[in-house]
Amino acid sequence: ETGVTQSPTHLIKTRGQQVTLRCSSQSGHNTVSWYQQALGQGPQFIFQYYREEENGRGNFPPRFSGLQFPNYSSELNVNALELDDSALYLCASSLDGPYTGELFFGEGSRLTVL
Amino acid sequence: RKEVEQDPGPFNVPEGATVAFNCTYSNSASQSFFWYRQDCRKEPKLLMSVYSSGNEDGRFTAQLNRASQYISLLIRDSKLSDSATYLCVVNIGQAGTALIFGKGTTLSVSS
Repeated sequence: ETGVTQSPTHLIKTRGQQVTLRCSSQSGHNTVSWYQQALGQGPQFIFQYYREEENGRGNFPPRFSGLQFPNYSSELNVNALELDDSALYLCASSLDGPYTGELFFGEGSRLTVL
Repeated sequence: RKEVEQDPGPFNVPEGATVAFNCTYSNSASQSFFWYRQDCRKEPKLLMSVYSSGNEDGRFTAQLNRASQYISLLIRDSKLSDSATYLCVVNIGQAGTALIFGKGTTLSVSS
């Protein structure tokens, strides 16, 4: 167990809807990274939050947004859902950025967009 | 060109075999390198870091060639439990803000 928990584990939405995914970091970790993993692909970097501020962003449109709270938990929000947004969304926590390379992943939230 | 590219899979090998995975990365400013393992329908987990001098952890050996921007992972004496997807991971971006994952190579070890 990594100590990183994500909710919900599974959800189904329709095109155009909005979704919020939640992540609780491992105790003591101040950095949260979000990844999207489509079937048969590696995880794609969405963005990272360090001490409540966005600290890096991948090639995702602005309708993907996030927050990190003072307790270092985090949310990923996706607006105007598209079919291609169907994927496993992984949250990973670490201490002071990913410098050591060890990200601790949660089990993910599996989103299906119909 | 993708930032991190890996050998296409799957690799199907018998128990006891030696198997090698290769990976190339495009950003010459990349600072650190890793192999992660992902079991079916599970989250990725760090397998090992990759150092310029090469490093070994039991049956696993990782190598880095900065000049060729190439990373490798060698697994000796494969076990059934080694069956998984192996992800090549590179730390890039300003102040190392992101770990970028390859697509992964699937290994299936059979008895």
